[in-house]
Amino acid sequence: KAGVTQTPRYLIKTRGQQVTLSCSPISGHRSVSWYQQTPGQGLQFLFEYFSETQRNKGNFPGRFSGRQFSNSRSEMNVSTLELGDSALYLCASSPNPGQGAEAFFGQGTRLTVV
Amino acid sequence: GENVEQHPSTLSVQEGDSAVIKCTYSDSASNYFPWYKQELGKGPQLIIDIRSNVGEKKDQRIAVTLNKTAKHFSLHITETQPEDSAVYFCAASKSPGYALNFGKGTSLLVTP
Repeated sequence: KAGVTQTPRYLIKTRGQQVTLSCSPISGHRSVSWYQQTPGQGLQFLFEYFSETQRNKGNFPGRFSGRQFSNSRSEMNVSTLELGDSALYLCASSPNPGQGAEAFFGQGTRLTVV
Repeated sequence: GENVEQHPSTLSVQEGDSAVIKCTYSDSASNYFPWYKQELGKGPQLIIDIRSNVGEKKDQRIAVTLNKTAKHFSLHITETQPEDSAVYFCAASKSPGYALNFGKGTSLLVTP
């Protein structure tokens, strides 16, 4: 069974640009969560999607947004990039939060803003 | 919201020794406490988890204990090996699959 796939693995963008990251969950998993990982703040929850609906959102500005498609694939978008947005963005998938199954992480997308 | 604190931030042990990492949490509604291991260039990998109705869980060389009254939980690794070297994160959430609140991580180094 393939794991969580995140694309691209690496990305370099300029301040002010926008970026879209993609996450394909494990087959059969319907819940996708996104996290930002930085050396200073550690792992922070961004948002969670289930059946194309955002169920929960972390404490990030509106520049960070996401969506989930009918096939459970998810994208997150960051607009007007700032230097501080440089981070490893991780996606995690799980079958259904109510079924008591743990989340599995992808390898992440390393975003560098210059 | 939930606040998870993790100690120590770095830990160096000799091969064969035991390693203990401790975490505290603040939200009484948290019922699920996983531990993740992250190696360089990889995403976090779940190594063990514990739910609030259990006080201790063991899987070979790894064990986790939970004290719900005191709101703290710990990871114990026995007979450490060099391949155990990695960053370990504790986390808390209301249930498996829901948003995770992570500790800041512990960088474990096991020297031969």
